[in-house]
Amino acid sequence: AQTVTQSQPEMSVQEAETVTLSCTYDTSESDYYLFWYKQPPSRQMILVIRQEAYKQQNATENRFSVNFQKAAKSFSLKISDSQLGDAAMYFCAYTSYNFGNEKLTFGTGTRLTIIP
Amino acid sequence: SQTIHQWPATLVQPVGSPLSLECTVEGTSNPNLYWYRQAAGRGLQLLFYSVGIGQISSEVPQNLSASRPQDRQFILSSKKLLLSDSGFYLCASTGRGLNTEAFFGQGTRLTVV
Repeated sequence: AQTVTQSQPEMSVQEAETVTLSCTYDTSESDYYLFWYKQPPSRQMILVIRQEAYKQQNATENRFSVNFQKAAKSFSLKISDSQLGDAAMYFCAYTSYNFGNEKLTFGTGTRLTIIP
Repeated sequence: SQTIHQWPATLVQPVGSPLSLECTVEGTSNPNLYWYRQAAGRGLQLLFYSVGIGQISSEVPQNLSASRPQDRQFILSSKKLLLSDSGFYLCASTGRGLNTEAFFGQGTRLTVV
């Protein structure tokens, strides 16, 4: 079964600095997606960034980028120039895109605090 | 893109009462559907997921059940609520194959008293 592990329950960063959130996963599949979702206090889930496993190039979305290490099954999120609005719970998630095995599995989350 | 309608937003129920939370999806067909529970300040625990009408996979043995009577309708139920059923419940939907971004409902905050 697929598992997703986030080993940092809480992280904090000074405003305008850079922070990296860690995620590791376990799977026997070769074709899958990885995601980072943000959950602000409103509890609405917001997609931050997505990585296809077959792509070697790391995904980037403005200030957000990932370090995807397929062999190590590692998928970290880097937030550059941290802003107060980045404060939230961040969840790493995995899904296979092989039909019948598309269960979306989340890690336990990392609570990110931005220090003004 | 998809829109997920989930209701009610807030619910207070006495112990031993039944539960029915409903989730409907717009903007796609034949989605994968999920029910998650989130305890305060904690992660998302997958409760049930469904790949089609009448097809339900249960992830955690518990007091809850799920049904999918229509392609874009997913229902979470309980015959008798327990105090431990309190939490924040999220419905989610993903497409098939390469279209796997998840869309989420607004959530239901359930308090069992």
